Amino acid sequence: AQSVTQPDIHITVSEGASLELRCNYSYGATPYLFWYVQSPGQGLQLLLKYFSGDTLVQGIKGFEAEFKRSQSSFNLRKPSVHWSDAAEYFCVYGSSNTGKLIFGQGTTLQVKP
Amino acid sequence: NAGVTQTPKFQVLKTGQSMTLQCAQDMNHEYMSWYRQDPGMGLRLIHYSVGAGITDQGEVPNGYNVSRSTTEDFPLRLLSAAPSQTSVYFCATSQRESTDTQYFGPGTRLTVL
Repeated sequence: AQSVTQPDIHITVSEGASLELRCNYSYGATPYLFWYVQSPGQGLQLLLKYFSGDTLVQGIKGFEAEFKRSQSSFNLRKPSVHWSDAAEYFCVYGSSNTGKLIFGQGTTLQVKP
Repeated sequence: NAGVTQTPKFQVLKTGQSMTLQCAQDMNHEYMSWYRQDPGMGLRLIHYSVGAGITDQGEVPNGYNVSRSTTEDFPLRLLSAAPSQTSVYFCATSQRESTDTQYFGPGTRLTVL
């Protein structure tokens, strides 16, 4: 079955520390990949997306992600986390063939002062 | 521009009742979709529409009905509410396809007793 896996349900990092959120997908087609963020009680907002070209993509709020086809991964990174980054992060797979998006389970990020 | 609006914000139903969740957008987007969000399961696609008059099923369509008579509106109908439909519901829109940037509404929290 098609799936997007975020292995870490919950991550806690100290403010100012680096962050990496993992994402793996299980499809063969050239994917569209996204990271969305959901602040508490809010809807989702796009952080960044990849569909072709440079495998390192830059997003908003200082986030970046790297697409690695050989590992079927699309990990999200940030060099220095701010307290306002505390939220839930979703890795999402899309295919222009199906018209549908598949969401990972989400990773909740807690930031310690 | 209001973007994507959802009403109501909160709703409590009794088992067997029916209701309609409203979603409206003023961005002239062709693609609209409904998701439900449950803890530990990410967002799951219920129904989607690629334009007025066209709808299709997502991952979890049972118990839900949709129609798209205008570009702006995409209501979600619960035919006979069940406790398993207790969830947070999000409407999302994008310009043309699922792989375009999705704009999410603020959500509707539904409880079925």
